[in-house]
Amino acid sequence: DAEITQSPRHKITETGRQVTLACHQTWNHNNMFWYRQDLGHGLRLIHYSYGVQDTNKGEVSDGYSVSRSNTEDLPLTLESAASSQTSVYFCASSETRQGTGYTFGSGTRLTVV
Amino acid sequence: GESVGLHLPTLSVQEGDNSIINCAYSNSASDYFIWYKQESGKGPQFIIDIRSNMDKRQGQRVTVLLNKTVKHLSLQIAATQPGDSAVYFCAENTPHTGRRALTFGSGTRLQVQP
Repeated sequence: DAEITQSPRHKITETGRQVTLACHQTWNHNNMFWYRQDLGHGLRLIHYSYGVQDTNKGEVSDGYSVSRSNTEDLPLTLESAASSQTSVYFCASSETRQGTGYTFGSGTRLTVV
Repeated sequence: GESVGLHLPTLSVQEGDNSIINCAYSNSASDYFIWYKQESGKGPQFIIDIRSNMDKRQGQRVTVLLNKTVKHLSLQIAATQPGDSAVYFCAENTPHTGRRALTFGSGTRLQVQP
């Protein structure tokens, strides 16, 4: 069955380190998204991609970057981790740009100490 | 999987009762809406969706109502069960913004008392 997987499930890192969170989907969806989830904020969009070599900034993109070299993967990189980036990160993919078939991964809990 | 212990509005209902979860969305130009359920330790899961050309849509034990006049969305769960306990989010998609990603509400926690 098609799925979307995130790794690692948990990560603890130190301030200033570069961290990469992986997202892999086998739905063959062109559209992929990264969100963060924090107390009282629901899900906020970090970056998104509509296809290979396409990346776009979301509402809270500062300090993050993504790359899309193939359809299946959209890794999220924290260039220099900060305590404010302690959060739960969710990757999603969708069948259409309109949002139909929107499927989430199980999340990565990142703690920056 | 992961979840966040959000300080959310909480709706507490008795098992077997009907639940109504409300959501005020932000953009009158939004044309597609989705309700998600997030259980502890998991990512959000699709429940039901509705397009702006509709005002009601029914699924299995769930109904979504859309009132575009007041930008309000509601999720009705019939005969609520303990397994319905979770955080529920509404999400909207707004075209013509140059971006096709969902915008999420902050969520409501549903607690089902046995």
